[in-house]
Amino acid sequence: QSALTQPASVSGSPGQSITISCTGTSSDIGGYNYVSWYQQHPGKAPKLMIYDVSNRPSGVSNRFSGSKSGNTASLTISGLQAEDEADYYCSSYTSSSTLGVFGGGTKLTVL
Amino acid sequence: EVQLVESGGGLVQPGRSLRLSCTTSGFTFGDFAMSWVRQAPGKGLEWVGFIRSKTYGGTTEYAASVKGRFTISRDDSKSIAYLQMNSLKTEDTAVYYCNRGPATTWYSYYWGQGTLVTVSS
Repeated sequence: QSALTQPASVSGSPGQSITISCTGTSSDIGGYNYVSWYQQHPGKAPKLMIYDVSNRPSGVSNRFSGSKSGNTASLTISGLQAEDEADYYCSSYTSSSTLGVFGGGTKLTVL
Repeated sequence: EVQLVESGGGLVQPGRSLRLSCTTSGFTFGDFAMSWVRQAPGKGLEWVGFIRSKTYGGTTEYAASVKGRFTISRDDSKSIAYLQMNSLKTEDTAVYYCNRGPATTWYSYYWGQGTLVTVSS
């Protein structure tokens, strides 16, 4: 069982917006602004989409945004495109371990 | 251009050993921590461990599931990180990714393409 909880799947139509949640505890998401999000297409390496809760690396579309409230972080994708169909993983620093923690992953389907 | 290339994966019997390499270029290798993350078939991502830069002692941290069996090391002169895997179990079957990091706020921007390790008799 993953330390961070994500919905197994979400879906949306092209042009719509979707939000993926990632729930942890006060030892990880709630206690630190060290949440990151990764996109992974089948057979490919993870790609960093958001770091430090809401920062976008250079080259990542501004359709991707991150936020946090309490022990829950969220990734919002606006203006859904077919290429956004992928698995998404949240990650956080945790004071409970010497390693970070990942969420179980969310499969995004673009209808 | 930053590049990370894993190698050394393959089919290995339970109880045997395997060493993975992560050959890097495009950055000053010695300045960064290096990590290994794995992904079992059809499953999510799991931290295996990481090694700090020499500036921070070059010390290592491991997941409980591999501690005592896996060892991460680095050769700063060759810009290569290693993952020595001993006493392999079938549940170690996964794609193993190396990445540069984690950064101080625990994220990794650069990742390799991964190498598949299959543990089976």
